[in-house]
Amino acid sequence: EPEVTQTPSHQVTQMGQEVILRCVPISNHLYFYWYRQILGQKVEFLVSFYNNEISEKSEIFDDQFSVERPDGSNFTLKIRSTKLEDSAMYFCASSSGTGSNNQPQHFGDGTRLSIL
Amino acid sequence: SQELEQSPQSLIVQEGKNLTINCTSSKTLYGLYWYKQKYGEGLIFLMMLQKGGEEKSHEKITAKLDEKKQQSSLHITASQPSHAGIYLCGADAQGAQKLVFGQGTRLTINP
Repeated sequence: EPEVTQTPSHQVTQMGQEVILRCVPISNHLYFYWYRQILGQKVEFLVSFYNNEISEKSEIFDDQFSVERPDGSNFTLKIRSTKLEDSAMYFCASSSGTGSNNQPQHFGDGTRLSIL
Repeated sequence: SQELEQSPQSLIVQEGKNLTINCTSSKTLYGLYWYKQKYGEGLIFLMMLQKGGEEKSHEKITAKLDEKKQQSSLHITASQPSHAGIYLCGADAQGAQKLVFGQGTRLTINP
């Protein structure tokens, strides 16, 4: 069964450094998402991406965050200058439809980001 | 904004027993999704409900959405150790692509 894959599984970074989290969505999906889960808290939406542009973003997704689909398969989340509070599990998800054509979002196993 | 509240927050049941997890929304649900998360791993999609009164089953898990589309329940029959994990309900608000999640219910199955 097709799945969303994320790399790395664990990333340890010094505060202030840039980090790039990588995701390969399911191949025929058109909608891509990033979520994060701080330890002990709810899974929170960060951003959705469709047709090579951001379609929706949360208040969390400020100027230090960016997303990119550099080629036909990868979807990346970049954090420019990491802060201690960015430590969390980051999940990538993809779906084949949304809105009136609701389709479930399928999630990867996540990248655990630890900021020191 | 839409809020989802799950109950109970944690549940310990003996293997073979039935159990129910509830998810209540502050607003009408347009799509309700149930996921399972193992500790430190990703979310595994279980079921999607969209219509009031809808009920879906997969193996020993049944999910229902009430007629008013503000509450959903997940029922597991004859629980097994493989059912252990964290169950999350997620919802998409009308016109939005994002999912909003409940805080999760941690299920432990004792042999």
